[in-house]
Amino acid sequence: GQNIDQPTEMTATEGAIVQINCTYQTSGFNGLFWYQQHAGEAPTFLSYNVLDGLEEKGRFSSFLSRSKGYSYLLLKELQMKDSASYLCAVRDLNSGNTPLVFGKGTRLSVIA
Amino acid sequence: DARVTQTPRDKVTEMGQEVTMRCQPILGHNTVFWYRQTMMQGLELLAYFRNRAPLDDSGMPKDRFSAEMPDATLATLKIQPSEPRDSAVYFCASGGVNTGELFFGEGSRLTVL
Repeated sequence: GQNIDQPTEMTATEGAIVQINCTYQTSGFNGLFWYQQHAGEAPTFLSYNVLDGLEEKGRFSSFLSRSKGYSYLLLKELQMKDSASYLCAVRDLNSGNTPLVFGKGTRLSVIA
Repeated sequence: DARVTQTPRDKVTEMGQEVTMRCQPILGHNTVFWYRQTMMQGLELLAYFRNRAPLDDSGMPKDRFSAEMPDATLATLKIQPSEPRDSAVYFCASGGVNTGELFFGEGSRLTVL
């Protein structure tokens, strides 16, 4: 089975940097994903890590340590529109290679 | 531009009624997933298909839920009979052969009274 943990809520200030952590335990591992979900909308893909290290994409970066079962999503230069839920998801190799198992999400509030 | 389409967007029904949700995946995507999202449980996988064949529906209550893919452009999720605990947002997502990225539809919000 899988177990994915991330904080329930976070608050950060506009213009600041925030790091959202995710820890996971899976019987197999074939990639970690971050999705963004605004209230009332569908989740949308942000990033993908399969090897250890940092992947940078504009204001967003995602880090993975497979040995620690740990990832984080780093958001820089926060904007009000970044207020959303951020979902950590793992692809478990033993689940047929494609289904993603999602954490419950971290609700980020960006304040002025 | 290509997107996953779901209907209905909102459905309010009474306990015991049948509910059918439909999904049109992105053309060319060979995997289709049904997820359910609630505040308490987050996104839970209900079922998924690859090349229209059901691969895993272990997350789905078998006695009342059924998922089918009658053709490559249509996936359905049916609940019969519906119960108040089925109230949730149901998302359909599709993905390509070699990518882990999933593309989600806008969801069907179901309320069972």
